Amino acid sequence: AQTVTQSQPEMSVQEAETVTLSCTYDTSESDYYLFWYKQPPSRQMILVIRQEAYKQQNATENRFSVNFQKAAKSFSLKISDSQLGDAAMYFCAYVKYGGATNKLIFGTGTLLAVQP
Amino acid sequence: GAGVSQTPSNKVTEKGKYVELRCDPISGHTALYWYRQSLGQGPEFLIYFQGTGAADDSGLPNDRFFAVRPEGSVSTLKIQRTERGDSAVYLCASSLSRGTGELFFGEGSRLTVL
Repeated sequence: AQTVTQSQPEMSVQEAETVTLSCTYDTSESDYYLFWYKQPPSRQMILVIRQEAYKQQNATENRFSVNFQKAAKSFSLKISDSQLGDAAMYFCAYVKYGGATNKLIFGTGTLLAVQP
Repeated sequence: GAGVSQTPSNKVTEKGKYVELRCDPISGHTALYWYRQSLGQGPEFLIYFQGTGAADDSGLPNDRFFAVRPEGSVSTLKIQRTERGDSAVYLCASSLSRGTGELFFGEGSRLTVL
């Protein structure tokens, strides 16, 4: 069965600094997607960034980028120039490509605090 | 609608009572998902609808949990004989199809069973 592990329950970063959140996963599939979702206190999960496993190039979305290491099954999120609005719970998630249900498997999350 | 809408936002009930949680997905989204998020945990899959049918209900914890989507739009998650362990945030998500994995989530319904 596929699993997603986030080993950092909490992280803290100073405003304008850079922080990296870690995620590892386990799967026997070769084609899949990986995601980072942000969950602010409003509880609504918001997609931050997506990576297709077949792509070697790391995904980037403005201040957010990933370091995808397929062989190591590692998928870390880097947030540059951290802003107060980045404070939230961050979840790493996996889904098998072409699966019957598009069922996301989530990690346990990392709570990010941003210090002014 | 503009986003996924879930009602009620918060629900407090007593052990043994029946509860219904409603989800109104984004218009045109054929895929709908229910997840349960316990305190300090990531969301856990409960059930997936494609149109009106439950294509995958493997995440429902037991037969006290049931969900419907009779017209392929609004879905209702039903919990019978609630237990204190059912306390959690119930998240609904929708997507256009099962293609890309990008789900659009609502703000969830927080259920507290006393």
